[in-house]
Amino acid sequence: DTAVSQTPKYLVTQMGNDKSIKCEQNLGHDTMYWYKQDSKKFLKIMFSYNNKELIINETVPNRFSPKSPDKAHLNLHINSLELGDSAVYFCASSERQGAYNEQFFGPGTRLTVL
Amino acid sequence: RKEVEQDPGPFNVPEGATVAFNCTYSNSASQSFFWYRQDCRKEPKLLMSVYSSGNEDGRFTAQLNRASQYISLLIRDSKLSDSATYLCAGSVDGNKLVFGAGTILRVKS
Repeated sequence: DTAVSQTPKYLVTQMGNDKSIKCEQNLGHDTMYWYKQDSKKFLKIMFSYNNKELIINETVPNRFSPKSPDKAHLNLHINSLELGDSAVYFCASSERQGAYNEQFFGPGTRLTVL
Repeated sequence: RKEVEQDPGPFNVPEGATVAFNCTYSNSASQSFFWYRQDCRKEPKLLMSVYSSGNEDGRFTAQLNRASQYISLLIRDSKLSDSATYLCAGSVDGNKLVFGAGTILRVKS
């Protein structure tokens, strides 16, 4: 069983479109995260939710909107996609809130905006 | 200055060699540090946490130097399977991890 899963694995779309990425964890963790890894391999936190409550909201364009319907799911919706949004988006989870907790990453969603 | 900085490498070493990476951090208040391993086109996976007293796990040793604000990872007896990108990470506040850009290691036979 995959602990942290993401769909889709690959996403190719045109500029201006709206798309969603879904994430689910079956570890029973309280905290989930979205990271963006760009072409230079920097892995940067975007958002974090703890028990469905937003706790980290980095300087991210408001075209990006996370939603956590329950603590096992954290989805990311992106409006009006731009070329610069092309990257790999990783979902992660940790047992509880706090940077000292091990984070488990999903396999990533490779987004290409044309 | 970036919050967490690493030498991107690549470090090209023969099998059996010992190799060490350093990672510097700018925020002296950072409390938690980690080394993650990322294989090509895969997700990062925790390799080890870094404690003030150092941490050893088999061939891997991680150390923290608070005075000079860096963490290190030492790999002894390198294997081909150690080839990967090694990401260091540090907490900026209690909740957020900041990652370095990674150091590429290539172990060759």
